[in-house]
Amino acid sequence: GIQVEQSPPDLILQEGANSTLRCNFSDSVNNLQWFHQNPWGQLINLFYIPSGTKQNGRLSATTVATERYSLLYISSSQTTDSGVYFCAVDEETSGSRLTFGEGTQLTVNP
Amino acid sequence: EAGVTQFPSHSVIEKGQTVTLRCDPISGHDNLYWYRRVMGKEIKFLLHFVKESKQDESGMPNNRFLAERTGGTYSTLKVQPAELEDSGVYFCASSPRWGTDTQYFGPGTRLTVL
Repeated sequence: GIQVEQSPPDLILQEGANSTLRCNFSDSVNNLQWFHQNPWGQLINLFYIPSGTKQNGRLSATTVATERYSLLYISSSQTTDSGVYFCAVDEETSGSRLTFGEGTQLTVNP
Repeated sequence: EAGVTQFPSHSVIEKGQTVTLRCDPISGHDNLYWYRRVMGKEIKFLLHFVKESKQDESGMPNNRFLAERTGGTYSTLKVQPAELEDSGVYFCASSPRWGTDTQYFGPGTRLTVL
């Protein structure tokens, strides 16, 4: 099956800093989603981005499908950005089940 | 519009007991998925319904797990009998179309088997 690798596994920032999270995947995909798991364990949709670039406030994401990676940018980080960020993909040959990476644990200190 | 809802939010049971988790998808979504995260590991797919039919159940770990979606609306996931390794968070997700749409996740059910 498809492999999904996220980096870095852990990231500690001071409030106001910018960061880039990366997701590499091993095969062609139909779907790529970024999620934020908040301290209560809820998975919050950030982006549906199988290709191209999207922006939503301080967050933006870019997926380069031909090179099999996606980047999530967080600008001017806030303490509420803390949590685990997951990348998940649905490979073209697997139907629509999502395969998740192991996540990036982000801690934003005040 | 209401999101995906799951019940209960937490469940603590003894090994060998039975537990039933419920998921209500977003209204009108034909696709319903179950995932789980156990022992702090990555989130893994369990199965996928299209309406009331099981489209893909390749992620179901063993025959102690039974999922149903009678009438194509809400779904239940029953674990019988529960084992210690079943502890974790069980997520449900739904999407309107197959393969090319955002999957919207519920808040999860945290299951603890003692």
